[in-house]
Amino acid sequence: AQSVTQPDIHITVSEGASLELRCNYSYGATPYLFWYVQSPGQGLQLLLKYFSGDTLVQGIKGFEAEFKRSQSSFNLRKPSVHWSDAAEYFCAVGARSGGGADGLTFGKGTHLIIQP
Amino acid sequence: NAGVTQTPKFRILKIGQSMTLQCAQDMNHNYMYWYRQDPGMGLKLIYYSVGAGITDKGEVPNGYNVSRSTTEDFPLRLELAAPSQTSVYFCASSFQDFSYEQYFGPGTRLTVT
Repeated sequence: AQSVTQPDIHITVSEGASLELRCNYSYGATPYLFWYVQSPGQGLQLLLKYFSGDTLVQGIKGFEAEFKRSQSSFNLRKPSVHWSDAAEYFCAVGARSGGGADGLTFGKGTHLIIQP
Repeated sequence: NAGVTQTPKFRILKIGQSMTLQCAQDMNHNYMYWYRQDPGMGLKLIYYSVGAGITDKGEVPNGYNVSRSTTEDFPLRLELAAPSQTSVYFCASSFQDFSYEQYFGPGTRLTVT
């Protein structure tokens, strides 16, 4: 079965600084990878996704992520964060787990705090 | 479009009570999902449906039931509520399978005491 690890539970970044959120996955084949963002009290919103092709994918709100097969990683980046980026970020992998559920497996999330 | 709507937003249940969490989408999506989110644990898939009349278990289905009589609605039933079911429940939908973007509702915060 697939799994997702987000090593950082909390990250604090100054406004205007760059950001990188880490995500490692475990899956036998090429996975479908996603980053979602959850603002306080809200549902999740898709930032970007990777299926195949160019390993650097662009998303909404100025985010990008890079798929690195050799490292089983899909890290999320933003060159300059804004106070409105403070939220919970979830990495997810989508796959069929051999007769199992057709859905996403989520990491535990990284809570992003923006310092003024 | 309203997207994915969920009712109620909040609910407190006593142990042993039952309730139904409502979910509806107006995007004509085939796939619908129920997740639960516990603090620090990410989201876990409870049940999903690939179309009207077809449902299947996810990772954590025990204590829940679902039905899908229409494309739009996907209610989640809790029978004999237990404290372990205290959680935030999210409904989501997608046009097709997991490779498509999932659209999430605002969630239902449930407390069982």
